[in-house]
Amino acid sequence: EPEVTQTPSHQVTQMGQEVILRCVPISNHLYFYWYRQILGQKVEFLVSFYNNEISEKSEIFDDQFSVERPDGSNFTLKIRSTKLEDSAMYFCASRPEANEQFFGPGTRLTVL
Amino acid sequence: DAKTTQPPSMDCAEGRAANLPCNHSTISGNEYVYWYRQIHSQGPQYIIHGLKNNETNEMASLIITEDRKSSTLILPHATLRDTAVYYCIVSRRSGNTGKLIFGQGTTLQVKP
Repeated sequence: EPEVTQTPSHQVTQMGQEVILRCVPISNHLYFYWYRQILGQKVEFLVSFYNNEISEKSEIFDDQFSVERPDGSNFTLKIRSTKLEDSAMYFCASRPEANEQFFGPGTRLTVL
Repeated sequence: DAKTTQPPSMDCAEGRAANLPCNHSTISGNEYVYWYRQIHSQGPQYIIHGLKNNETNEMASLIITEDRKSSTLILPHATLRDTAVYYCIVSRRSGNTGKLIFGQGTTLQVKP
């Protein structure tokens, strides 16, 4: 069964450093998402991506964040200058035309 | 904010049916009811969705009231592996965004 994959599973970085979280969505899916979950809190929407552009972003998704689909398979989330409060689980999701989203296993980002 | 209200926690005996309620009194005509679950810190997992008719798949059944203001997710024979946080979400089924707004969900504890 096809699944969304994410790498790395755990990323540790120093405050102020840039990180890139990678996702490989399901191959025939059209819509891509990033969500995050701070420890003990609810899952929060960050950004949606369709047709090679951002279709919606939340207030969390400020200028420090960017997304890219550099080739036909990868979907990346870049945080330019990480802050302590960026520490969270980051989930990638993808879907076909219908809105049943399939989530990856997540990347745990720890900012020291 | 989430457009749904769910009890924070429920218990269920292993092998018995788990009935998880959700109120969504402000649901609009083109919004569907989706159920996802999150086991420990894994990525959310799609379970089932519906518009106005009852739905059943291999994982669960979804009962939506006639006025669509509430619904119940039924796990017919709960197992220990069904212990998770269950999220009821209302969203459009298609469109360029389709972001999912997660609430706190219901923590279901299945007990032996």
